Amino acid sequence: EAGVAQSPRYKIIEKRQSVAFWCNPISGHATLYWYQQILGQGPKLLIQFQNNGVVDDSQLPKDRFSAERLKGVDSTLKIQPAKLEDSAVYLCASSTGGPSYGYTFGSGTRLTVV
Amino acid sequence: QQQVKQSPQSLIVQKGGIPIINCAYENTAFDYFPWYQQFPGKGPALLIAIRPDVSEKKEGRFTISFNKSAKQFSLHIMDSQPGDSATYFCAGSGTALIFGKGTTLSVSS
Repeated sequence: EAGVAQSPRYKIIEKRQSVAFWCNPISGHATLYWYQQILGQGPKLLIQFQNNGVVDDSQLPKDRFSAERLKGVDSTLKIQPAKLEDSAVYLCASSTGGPSYGYTFGSGTRLTVV
Repeated sequence: QQQVKQSPQSLIVQKGGIPIINCAYENTAFDYFPWYQQFPGKGPALLIAIRPDVSEKKEGRFTISFNKSAKQFSLHIMDSQPGDSATYFCAGSGTALIFGKGTTLSVSS
């Protein structure tokens, strides 16, 4: 079974620029999550999708972050404009159902904002 | 987000030792408590998980102990090996996983 694919692996941008991350979940996984992992901390949930609908985006800074999951498969996460404090690893995870089915995480995109 | 508090932040043990990582949660609605293992440059991977109606679960060298009344659970790694050196995260589950801050384990040979 192919894993969760994320791209790019690394990205360096200047503050106030925009950036987008892409995630392709495991085939058949209905639930997709984006997490932000700041260095030395645990992953923090940004947004959860069930198929192509949003289940929870309460922690997403909506003034600068947006995410979509078209056709219930791939997803993109965008930041515009980026701030220095957005420097983190952005992890995508997918699951067949809820969390108790087990998440499969991608390797993440490491974003550095300078 | 409801917090999951994890300790210690870092841990160093010798090969063969039994590191113990502790977590405490606040939300009594959590119904699933996994532990994830993360190596540098990789995403977290599910290690072992427990539900609150069970007090202990073992899988190989990894054991979760769960105390529902105290709202605490812990991970024990038996006969630890240098390959176990990684960061470990506990989590609690509602509609999504809420993670602790992580424990960096170093097992020296």
